[in-house]
Amino acid sequence: AQRVTQPEKLLSVFKGAPVELKCNYSYSGSPELFWYVQYSRQRLQLLLRHISRESIKGFTADLNKGETSFHLKKPFAQEEDSAMYYCAPLSGSARQLTFGSGTQLTVLP
Amino acid sequence: NAGVMQNPRHLVRRRGQEARLRCSPMKGHSHVYWYRQLPEEGLKFMVYLQKENIIDESGMPKERFSAEFPKEGPSILRIQQVVRGDSAAYFCASSSVQDVNYGYTFGSGTRLTVV
Repeated sequence: AQRVTQPEKLLSVFKGAPVELKCNYSYSGSPELFWYVQYSRQRLQLLLRHISRESIKGFTADLNKGETSFHLKKPFAQEEDSAMYYCAPLSGSARQLTFGSGTQLTVLP
Repeated sequence: NAGVMQNPRHLVRRRGQEARLRCSPMKGHSHVYWYRQLPEEGLKFMVYLQKENIIDESGMPKERFSAEFPKEGPSILRIQQVVRGDSAAYFCASSSVQDVNYGYTFGSGTRLTVV
């Protein structure tokens, strides 16, 4: 079955430490992958997409087809990065986004 | 461009009543998606609609839930005879035909509380 897995429900790091939020997928072919972020009580926002290979707010994510992973990384976490992060592949004939269960990142002072 | 507009922001219903959630997509967007976020859980896909068509409703509960996206007006997610387990945040997203590969734009959500 096609699915996306975010193995960590909760992740805490100290300010200034590196952070990596894991995402593994099991979709056939080459899904397009996104990371979305949801700050407390705000709407879901697009953080970055793998097709554009961009860096937003210091975050990057590399698609590793061999490991079928799309981990989100930031070298130096900031307190304002505390939020819920969702990995989401866009796939299938209907081209819909399917979200992982999310990882709640807390950056401690 | 006002973005994706959802209303109401908060909705309280008694068990057995009907809940109607509205979503106006971004201007120029013809694809609408509904997601549900239960407390302490992630986003679950419910339904994908285009104007006057349901494209994929694989995430919709079999009973009491329905969705439409008429030619004119907002998309409506309708929940009949609500139960406590329907309490959740319901998010709508939209995209255009051209931009679907670039992700969706989400609304602020409707928080439904069933008492």
